[in-house]
Amino acid sequence: LAKTTQPISMDSYEGQEVNITCSHNNIATNDYITWYQQFPSQGPRFIIQGYKTKVTNEVASLFIPADRKSSTLSLPRVSLSDTAVYYCLVGVNDYKLSFGAGTTVTVRA
Amino acid sequence: DAGVTQSPTHLIKTRGQQVTLRCSPKSGHDTVSWYQQALGQGPQFIFQYYEEEERQRGNFPDRFSGHQFPNYSSELNVNALLLGDSALYLCASSRPGSGGTYEQYFGPGTRLTVT
Repeated sequence: LAKTTQPISMDSYEGQEVNITCSHNNIATNDYITWYQQFPSQGPRFIIQGYKTKVTNEVASLFIPADRKSSTLSLPRVSLSDTAVYYCLVGVNDYKLSFGAGTTVTVRA
Repeated sequence: DAGVTQSPTHLIKTRGQQVTLRCSPKSGHDTVSWYQQALGQGPQFIFQYYEEEERQRGNFPDRFSGHQFPNYSSELNVNALLLGDSALYLCASSRPGSGGTYEQYFGPGTRLTVT
């Protein structure tokens, strides 16, 4: 699976937009990009998945440039409840998920 | 519709003991995966069960074993517990035909403490 690099932590304030960029320089042609969210003492939760360009759902947007060597998860107008760890995963549909350390996002009032 | 459930919530064991953790998948799901999450780290894949067989395994010793029952529920067994086995153990399930789709549904986990 392609290795990913994302910031260890990010701070924000309520109502702001949070953008987390993930680098995956050796992404393969068949790889998808997926993001999970995890709250303390809970299991990860699927947020969004994309292959190229832009994907949007009710929770977030995922921006993928043409070269697909990076991707950006955008969380619009965050609230305190968005404080969590966000994981970027890259790979084809596979039997296992490979998580890195993730990005800890802290939203302050 | 109940999501993925796991039991027990917390567990304290002594080094050398054995432990069994249980997981019931989300309704309609037939594939169960187990992950270990140490404090401050991302989850690490242990193995996955499908049709009562271990389909794929991560880099974990044979002390970690599992089972899947005809109703798709699953157990994770860990023998000869080490202090380093202390972690949150997560179970995840996915839909039929989804194979290894990244949209796996996770349970709340079992917090295992080995003393």
